[in-house]
Amino acid sequence: EVQLVESGGGLVQPGRSLKLSCAASGFTFSNYYMAWVRQAPKKGLEWVATISTSGSRTYYPDSVKGRFTISRDNAKSSLYLQMNSLKSEDTATYYCARRDPFDYWGQGVMVTVSS
Amino acid sequence: DVQMTQSPSYLAASPGESVSISCKASKSINTYLAWYQEKPGKTNKLLIYSGSTLQSGTPSRFSGSGSGTDFTLTIRSLEPEDFAVYYCQQHNEYPLTFGSGTKLEIK
Repeated sequence: EVQLVESGGGLVQPGRSLKLSCAASGFTFSNYYMAWVRQAPKKGLEWVATISTSGSRTYYPDSVKGRFTISRDNAKSSLYLQMNSLKSEDTATYYCARRDPFDYWGQGVMVTVSS
Repeated sequence: DVQMTQSPSYLAASPGESVSISCKASKSINTYLAWYQEKPGKTNKLLIYSGSTLQSGTPSRFSGSGSGTDFTLTIRSLEPEDFAVYYCQQHNEYPLTFGSGTKLEIK
């Protein structure tokens, strides 16, 4: 059974950093592109980042480019999202998702950016 | 960026009825359109991709159609478990973009 479990969320002050993790199981992690998608409170879904199977290629929307970095460790079947220079508008539930279109999703982890 | 306009934002229907949700792209995305279902306490579910291809496990009462800029999700003979929020997403190009969602409620 495919499982994606996010961790690392919490309350952080504006301008600070936070790193999210996603532990994957139930499939050969190294064979799949992986992604992060977020959902602000009471809002819709927003794609945040995608990474290729080897990690050599990454993709971001302008809203996070230069501040967020997606990475992976295939040996550990783990996906990461390093978030720097956080803003209040980054407050959201962050989901780890497999490939594109996103055929499996995690339950999500909440990130609150507030002073 | 490709803007995805989804309508209606809210839809009320009764079990057994059929409903349709529209998704319009600001430019052609060929057939690269996915539909997702969001329900409280459950992980998001991919229903349809590439416009009309049912993801494994999606009931046949769900169907997707369209190409270019206009797409439709149709649910025939609604079941109680279908009342949820639905999102469209274009997977033709980066940045990947979603519609704003349609909340389907029981009438």
